[in-house]
Amino acid sequence: IAGITQAPTSQILAAGRRMTLRCTQDMRHNAMYWYRQDLGLGLRLIHYSNTAGTTGKGEVPDGYSVSRANTDDFPLTLASAVPSQTSVYFCASSDSSSIYEQFFGPGTRLTVL
Amino acid sequence: AQKVTQAQTEISVVEKEDVTLDCVYETRDTTYYLFWYKQPPSGELVFLIRRNSFDEQNEISGRYSWNFQKSTSSFNFTITASQVVDSAVYFCALRALYGNKLVFGAGTILRVKS
Repeated sequence: IAGITQAPTSQILAAGRRMTLRCTQDMRHNAMYWYRQDLGLGLRLIHYSNTAGTTGKGEVPDGYSVSRANTDDFPLTLASAVPSQTSVYFCASSDSSSIYEQFFGPGTRLTVL
Repeated sequence: AQKVTQAQTEISVVEKEDVTLDCVYETRDTTYYLFWYKQPPSGELVFLIRRNSFDEQNEISGRYSWNFQKSTSSFNFTITASQVVDSAVYFCALRALYGNKLVFGAGTILRVKS
């Protein structure tokens, strides 16, 4: 089934640890995105990638990094996790043009203690 | 700057009632796109509709309808004859023609009771 997969589904992490959230899509979409969802704030864009080899900062990029080595994968790394990064993380993808909707993965629930 | 406001934090209705979810947006762009997404209790985000800024026709899809009014910068969503399965968080979102940022509202929790 075509779509976006994210791993892990959930994770509890000690503060200061490094963590990589994985995201893979099989729709051959050029653009990919990472959002975090927090109660009362909706979803906020962390980083995005218009095409393989390029990345850009979103609204809340601090403490996160991304890479886009190929079309399908877009991992999000927390170099040194802090409790404020406790959130639900969604990966999304879309065709290049902004007229197309973004398709979202199932999310990763991350708790930083 | 772009902004989306969903003033209704939570709405509770009884099954078969009609319910309208409000969405007000701010943008300086003349061309932009508006979206509604549904997030059921299972957590995934489900795309419902996309509307561009040049198309102010209202749209109906089954029990769902959308009212886009550029004059008031609103893109409201109505569910007719609500059902328990409509219980979810609904997000309104805005995106400029040239940009990667999908700006979301805070979401409205809809609870439909049987």
